[in-house]
Amino acid sequence: DSGVTQTPKHLITATGQRVTLRCSPRSGDLSVYWYQQSLDQGLQFLIHYYNGEERAKGNILERFSAQQFPDLHSELNLSSLELGDSALYFCASSPRGDSNTGELFFGEGSRLTVL
Amino acid sequence: QQQVKQSPQSLIVQKGGISIINCAYENTAFDYFPWYQQFPGKGPALLIAIRPDVSEKKEGRFTISFNKSAKQFSLHIMDSQPGDSATYFCAAKGTSYDKVIFGPGTSLSVIP
Repeated sequence: DSGVTQTPKHLITATGQRVTLRCSPRSGDLSVYWYQQSLDQGLQFLIHYYNGEERAKGNILERFSAQQFPDLHSELNLSSLELGDSALYFCASSPRGDSNTGELFFGEGSRLTVL
Repeated sequence: QQQVKQSPQSLIVQKGGISIINCAYENTAFDYFPWYQQFPGKGPALLIAIRPDVSEKKEGRFTISFNKSAKQFSLHIMDSQPGDSATYFCAAKGTSYDKVIFGPGTSLSVIP
């Protein structure tokens, strides 16, 4: 158990809908990262928050947004969903903002299926 | 270029054999190279990592070899076991980046 909690574990929704994925980092970790994992794309970096502030953005679609709250949990919002958004979404946390060690602690992911 | 290339895409090794996964990068600003292991239904977990000031790092049956001039690094799994069957990701991170870039992954199957 990595100590990172993601909810929901599974989510099935329809095209055009909006969903929110939630992540609780390990106790004491200030950084939260979101990754998208699909069969043909591997682990794609979406966004990184440190102590409530956005630190880095990857190839995150404009339909996607995220935030980190004062209690350090994070939410990833996906809107106007398309079939291609079906994937496993991982949250990871790290104890330092600059994550110099490179070690990320991953949750077990939220599997999103868009029908 | 922030891409990390990884090969092979899949690998089948007999029990007791050596598994070798290769990765390459282009961005010389990368200075930390971790390997992650992912079992089905689980999130990736750090396996072993190396910095470019060393050419090799060994932890048990797992060894990273690093060639800074060629911008390549590899994972060797000695005496591979069925329990090693998983997906392996190489990754890279630079001091100026707040993100870890992952390779596409290698699916390893160790058969008895």
